[in-house]
Amino acid sequence: VLTQSPGTLSLSPGERATLSCRASQSVTSSYLAWYQHKPGQAPRLLIYGASSRATGIPDRFSGSGSGTDFTLTISRLEPEDFAVYYCQQYGRSPLTFGGGTKVEIK
Amino acid sequence: QVQVVQSGAEVKKPGASVRVSCRVPGYTLTDLSIHWVRQAPGKGLEWMGGFDPEYDEMIYAEKFQGRVTMTEDTSTDTAYMELSSLRSEDTALYYCATDVAVVGAVPAFGLWGQGTLVTVSS
Repeated sequence: VLTQSPGTLSLSPGERATLSCRASQSVTSSYLAWYQHKPGQAPRLLIYGASSRATGIPDRFSGSGSGTDFTLTISRLEPEDFAVYYCQQYGRSPLTFGGGTKVEIK
Repeated sequence: QVQVVQSGAEVKKPGASVRVSCRVPGYTLTDLSIHWVRQAPGKGLEWMGGFDPEYDEMIYAEKFQGRVTMTEDTSTDTAYMELSSLRSEDTALYYCATDVAVVGAVPAFGLWGQGTLVTVSS
């Protein structure tokens, strides 16, 4: 089970966002991904392997962590970053997604 | 630009089955690990199952065991997800997801289809 916190984050553009993802057991080989999801669009892969940015992802997005505790940091929020973010473990079956964190404009 | 192409929206009655297809033009299924993810209205992302190349088998979420069948037609390089005994709670947007840069292991999902809306209503 992946537990994301907080459920909602209310921030202003330019602020730093810190999203947490905690696993109930250790994530195999740091096979932890983060996705951004906006209404009407397919999810977008941001981070894989806990800390590697996917192709084309701006460097304001960074991932860290290992074992059971992982973090997605957005260093300075841009207007297009307000969305729902999900973590996912893909190292063992069943693959699982966290419940999501909504980053909303304050 | 690599695309993932899914079949169109479906409307089904309770108790019926639905089959959704997925293709990645230019790629063969043997090079891909295709997975299915759904999102019900107002809910989060839910992994349903997909192909595990390490063990050469389909893997399914326990919630859908016995009700979902995922198959692949290598002659047309098309993946299918069939969900049976549909109920209203199955109304959702169904996504096909994969990544062409990873071979031999379950990938993080760098590529997603456009989603297929399945509506279950009497």
